Amino acid sequence: GENVEQHPSTLSVQEGDSAVIKCTYSDSASNYFPWYKQELGKRPQLIIDIRSNVGEKKDQRIAVTLNKTAKHFSLHITETQPEDSAVYFCAADTNDYKLSFGAGTTVTVRA
Amino acid sequence: DAGITQSPRHKVTETGTPVTLRCHQTENHRYMYWYRQDPGHGLRLIHYSYGVKDTDKGEVSDGYSVSRSKTEDFLLTLESATSSQTSVYFCATLGTEYQETQYFGPGTRLLVL
Repeated sequence: GENVEQHPSTLSVQEGDSAVIKCTYSDSASNYFPWYKQELGKRPQLIIDIRSNVGEKKDQRIAVTLNKTAKHFSLHITETQPEDSAVYFCAADTNDYKLSFGAGTTVTVRA
Repeated sequence: DAGITQSPRHKVTETGTPVTLRCHQTENHRYMYWYRQDPGHGLRLIHYSYGVKDTDKGEVSDGYSVSRSKTEDFLLTLESATSSQTSVYFCATLGTEYQETQYFGPGTRLLVL
């Protein structure tokens, strides 16, 4: 089955700086890559996703890039704000409507 | 929130007792999922359903069973709870098969003593 690895496990950034989280996947058939944000005690919520036919997608301060050849994708958050502090999960779907998740990255934005 | 509710939201039980968690959705979504979330493991798929009475195992299905007798309800049963099943359980639905986006319920925190 699909195996998704996520790094780093924790990330501390100064407010206003950028944050980058990287994920690798094992199954070259994976074609859908969502990112979820989970605040403490809350449910995971989708913040951005990308499909295998697209190399980059942007939504305001967040962007995701995908390198199919290397089988890795990354989340970029620019101009970080305190409300960006949360756990972020990457995931991959091999077109069978099942997601395999990374272990998560705890992002802390320092004021 | 995709109209997903979970019950109970919190439960404390003893080892060896059966436990059933309920997921209810109001959007008539075909696919439903049960995940468990543990520190350092992200979200791991327990079981999923692709229609009424159609279910299949995920990566951590041992010790769990599911049932789906109606589109809106997906039940997760721990036949004989163990301490290793202490976790936070999330239900999810697939918005549309074209979008492939999964939406999560609020979660159930289960403690097995």
